[in-house]
Amino acid sequence: AQTVTQSQPEMSVQEAETVTLSCTYDTSESNYYLFWYKQPPSRQMILVIRQEAYKQQNATENRFSVNFQKAAKSFSLKISDSQLGDTAMYFCAVNNNDMRFGAGTRLTVKP
Amino acid sequence: GAVVSQHPSRVICKSGTSVKIECRSLDFQATTMFWYRQFPKKSLMLMATSNEGSKATYEQGVEKDKFLINHASLTLSTLTVTSAHPEDSSFYICSARHRGTGELFFGEGSRLTVL
Repeated sequence: AQTVTQSQPEMSVQEAETVTLSCTYDTSESNYYLFWYKQPPSRQMILVIRQEAYKQQNATENRFSVNFQKAAKSFSLKISDSQLGDTAMYFCAVNNNDMRFGAGTRLTVKP
Repeated sequence: GAVVSQHPSRVICKSGTSVKIECRSLDFQATTMFWYRQFPKKSLMLMATSNEGSKATYEQGVEKDKFLINHASLTLSTLTVTSAHPEDSSFYICSARHRGTGELFFGEGSRLTVL
């Protein structure tokens, strides 16, 4: 079974600043994928970034990047130049045969 | 990008009735679909995994007779909440795994309110 832990229920950041959301996970699988999803008030799940576990290079998507530490089973998300539209719930997830989510972090970007 | 449509987006029903929620992959085939339940300000809890043409696999604690899942085609899975009660009120989300790429795409969710 896969478990995902997000230890920060809520975070806030000033607009244009950088924030890092933490995530740790546990899985017995050797091949798996890691994701960060954003869920705005509309409740639609939006993929932010994904990482294949077999790739050592950290994934980057514009202002979003991850710090993937496979041995430590850590997968943090860094948001640079935070924007007001980044305000949302952020979920870390591990996927092998199914997708398991962490408890989520509510991020508020303040003007 | 690939689109997953969930219908209805909102439904209100009386206690004791059954409600069906549809999850459709509009422009791709999905070998596997997942059903999640989300309580307010909480995470998505996996309820069951459905594979086309076979019985769904339910997570521990999820009543399969209560939450009937049918995955009759590569583009459609349905979740039927039978004999709904107020405690079944929740936000239900489906996701579909793209047959070719393996990527997951999420529906918009369905808010069920049982009176």
